[in-house]
Amino acid sequence: DGGITQSPKYLFRKEGQNVTLSCEQNLNHDAMYWYRQDPGQGLRLIYYSQIVNDFQKGDIAEGYSVSREKKESFPLTVTSAQKNPTAFYLCATMGGSADTQYFGPGTRLTVL
Amino acid sequence: AQSVTQPDIHITVSEGASLELRCNYSYGATPYLFWYVQSPGQGLQLLLKYFSGDTLVQGIKGFEAEFKRSQSSFNLRKPSVHWSDAAEYFCAPMDTGRRALTFGSGTRLQVQP
Repeated sequence: DGGITQSPKYLFRKEGQNVTLSCEQNLNHDAMYWYRQDPGQGLRLIYYSQIVNDFQKGDIAEGYSVSREKKESFPLTVTSAQKNPTAFYLCATMGGSADTQYFGPGTRLTVL
Repeated sequence: AQSVTQPDIHITVSEGASLELRCNYSYGATPYLFWYVQSPGQGLQLLLKYFSGDTLVQGIKGFEAEFKRSQSSFNLRKPSVHWSDAAEYFCAPMDTGRRALTFGSGTRLQVQP
């Protein structure tokens, strides 16, 4: 069953804690992306990775970190430095020559 | 700076009526253009895309979009809306340098019976 998996679907965090969101894909896509979505706003780019072992900051990277040690995986860590982390987080991939992004189902993070 | 505008935050149409959702972008060159749809609490599904060529593109679920270079627009249309079309719709040009999408703020579509 091919696709993009994000886990968990819902995540609760206490203030001051780091938390890691998982994104896994078996589409064999080279590029992976993390977006953040807030109510009434479009998606904003946090980090992206065009290839394994390389990643770049997006438009709102402060308070977040990522790694890309495997082609299939692109975990996002929300650190305690992120002042307003409550949001819906979406992972996306893009591969081949299609230049089209495909999205996972998302993780809703709530800070208590 | 590159930007995209979806002027209509919320649109309500009757089932069976036609639909047009507006999208305007500001880019140095013609970007790749996408429309996505999102149901509540879900990820985004690709409706259609424009890269080059024919300016009228067809997508899934009976949607189409027309690219108009002179107006920097890429409006989404559907001739007859179904209740299942109620969702949020996002226009997104692609920054071909970063190969990442820039999203509009979205248009929420409500369908009345």
